[in-house]
Amino acid sequence: GDSVTQMEGPVTLSEEAFLTINCTYTATGYPSLFWYVQYPGEGLQLLLKATKADDKGSNKGFEATYRKETTSFHLEKGSVQVSDSAVYFCALSTSGYALNFGKGTSLLVTP
Amino acid sequence: NAGVMQNPRHLVRRRGQEARLRCSPVKGHSHVYWYRQLPEEGLKFMVYLQKENIIDESGMPKERFSAEFPKEGPSILRIQQVVRGDSAAYFCASSPFAAGDNTGNTIYFGEGSWLTVV
Repeated sequence: GDSVTQMEGPVTLSEEAFLTINCTYTATGYPSLFWYVQYPGEGLQLLLKATKADDKGSNKGFEATYRKETTSFHLEKGSVQVSDSAVYFCALSTSGYALNFGKGTSLLVTP
Repeated sequence: NAGVMQNPRHLVRRRGQEARLRCSPVKGHSHVYWYRQLPEEGLKFMVYLQKENIIDESGMPKERFSAEFPKEGPSILRIQQVVRGDSAAYFCASSPFAAGDNTGNTIYFGEGSWLTVV
């Protein structure tokens, strides 16, 4: 079945460091790919998405490119801030609502 | 943010009891989704409901679990005769329209309800 694997956390970075959170997937067909973020005490929020190969999703300085050849959707940000501390979830979907999530990666950014 | 409201946030039940989790979608949203996150796992889709209808329950366990979204009031996820393996975080989400592949940004998640079975 469809599945998502993302790197284990927690990830601890200093402010202004470069961030990469790896995500690979297994799916039949052509899924849409998503990154969700959960800030402390809040629900999951869509961060960015890509619906086909080579699409790049971007939002709030975060980017991820849909790589069909490597079945990956790695999340990157050039310069993280303390306010980026959260849990990040990679997900895929072929229906739009039956999202398949990874286990989540906790990010802590220190001043 | 008058978002998706879930309650209770934390619920403790003894084995064999019933658990009821409630979800009030964003005002005006008529599509509700339930997800479950077991310890050390990612969120897994359980069920998709519209008002008074179950659209897709392919992720629901076959026994003891049921969900409804009545014409009036919140959506309810009901777990009968709970067992320790039901201990998990249950997330509700809602959207104003049926979420297709290109409308993932219309799905809004609640903060989750944590069920502990002792």
